Amino acid sequence: KNQVEQSPQSLIILEGKNCTLQCNYTVSPFSNLRWYKQDTGRGPVSLTIMTFSENTKSNGRYTATLDADTKQSSLHITASQLSDSASYICVVSGGTGGFKTIFGAGTRLFVKA
Amino acid sequence: EAQVTQNPRYLITVTGKKLTVTCSQNMNHEYMSWYRQDPGLGLRQIYYSMNVEVTDKGDVPEGYKVSRKEKRNFPLILESPSPNQTSLYFCASSFVQGDRGANVLTFGAGSRLTVL
Repeated sequence: KNQVEQSPQSLIILEGKNCTLQCNYTVSPFSNLRWYKQDTGRGPVSLTIMTFSENTKSNGRYTATLDADTKQSSLHITASQLSDSASYICVVSGGTGGFKTIFGAGTRLFVKA
Repeated sequence: EAQVTQNPRYLITVTGKKLTVTCSQNMNHEYMSWYRQDPGLGLRQIYYSMNVEVTDKGDVPEGYKVSRKEKRNFPLILESPSPNQTSLYFCASSFVQGDRGANVLTFGAGSRLTVL
């Protein structure tokens, strides 16, 4: 069964600290993996996208890694800011047909002053 | 401005009363998709469309219909809504780059539906 699992479920960090969010997936065949940021009540916004041939992608203070062999990805946030408080969702595309999108349940990040 | 527009943003209806949630994009995207988001479950795909007149079921299609008569529009139809369809709905679109190419979804602002 195609699944995307994220950990931790929620995380509280102090402003200025770094953190790493995890994503494990069992989607096959694999097309690409994306990380989205979702503020409460709003639509998700793309942070990074990686295909199977890419293992690192950065977008400002966000760095995503992908290990296609172990089917794991991580999102590292550097020097966190209060505005980073949001849900971070790992999304994998693939499966039979190629364009099904399977979403993780998300990690809820709280950045405190 | 490039965007995905959903309407209505908020709707309260009663069981069995047919409703349609519209979705329109102005980016000439081939791919469009509908999702529902429920607490603790994340987003789940309802239906998706690779192009005009091409639609396919996602993971939770029961109780929903879609159509793709024009490239820019992808309405979600609830023929006979039930309380378990109370949820936050998102429409999204993207380009298609090859059979397994990368695609970044642009999401609408969401439609919060309550079925009494």
